[in-house]
Amino acid sequence: DIQMTQSPSSLSASVGDRVTITCRASQGISHYLAWFQQKPGKVPKLLIYAASTLQSGVPSRFSGSGSGTDFTLTISSLQPEDVATYYCQKYNSVPKTFGQGTKVEIK
Amino acid sequence: EVQLVQSGAEVKKPGESLKISCKGSGYSFTSYWIGWVRQVPGNGPEWMGIIYPGDSDTRYSPSFQGQVTISADKSTSTAYLQWSGLKASDTAMYFCARHDSTGFGDYWGQGTLVTVSS
Repeated sequence: DIQMTQSPSSLSASVGDRVTITCRASQGISHYLAWFQQKPGKVPKLLIYAASTLQSGVPSRFSGSGSGTDFTLTISSLQPEDVATYYCQKYNSVPKTFGQGTKVEIK
Repeated sequence: EVQLVQSGAEVKKPGESLKISCKGSGYSFTSYWIGWVRQVPGNGPEWMGIIYPGDSDTRYSPSFQGQVTISADKSTSTAYLQWSGLKASDTAMYFCARHDSTGFGDYWGQGTLVTVSS
C-alpha cells in the first residue's frame, strides 16, 4: 500500500505568516490528493482536491500544489481561525490513506 | 442540500455486536460511493472502506478487512458499518463520507462515537 508522510508534524507561526505543509507519497499518485482541515471535536473539512483545486467556500489564502509524489499545502497569511490539524489523503486507489497530520498553532 | 446523518453514540461491551448507520439525502444515493473513516481520540483519521450503493460493490482497507462489514440499503438511502464482536480497541469516532466521482470525500456525516468498555 502507498504510504503518505506529512511534515512537519507540528508548527507554530505568527498571524500573517506564510505556512507550508508537505505531504509525500511513497509511490506516484498523479494529482489524486486532497487536503483536510480538522478542528478539535469537529468533522474533517475538505479544503483542496485534485492537489490544487480549492473547494467552494474555502478562503483563497489556502492553496495546494504538486503532482506525483510531492505535494504542498500553503496558507499565505495565517489567521487565528486556521489553528487546526491538517491532513493529506490520497484517493487514486484503495486504500485511500491519510497522512499522519500537521498541527498548526499560533505563536 | 447534500446531507449525511449518522446514528447516535453507542456504548457497548467487548464481544457485543453493533451496526451504525449513515443516511444520505439531497442527492442520488445510488450514484456515489460512501466510505467509512475511523478516528481514535487524539489520532488521525484512518480510511476503512467504501461501498457503491448502486450495486453494493465494496472495497476494504487491508487493515479493516475481516474486522468490519460495510453494507447499504438503497430503499432507505442508508449505509451501515457493523461489527460482530467488538473490542476495546474499536473505541473511536466513526465518520461516513460521500465520495465524489473522482474519489475524494466531499460531504461528511457528523460522526458516531463508539465506546467499548467492560
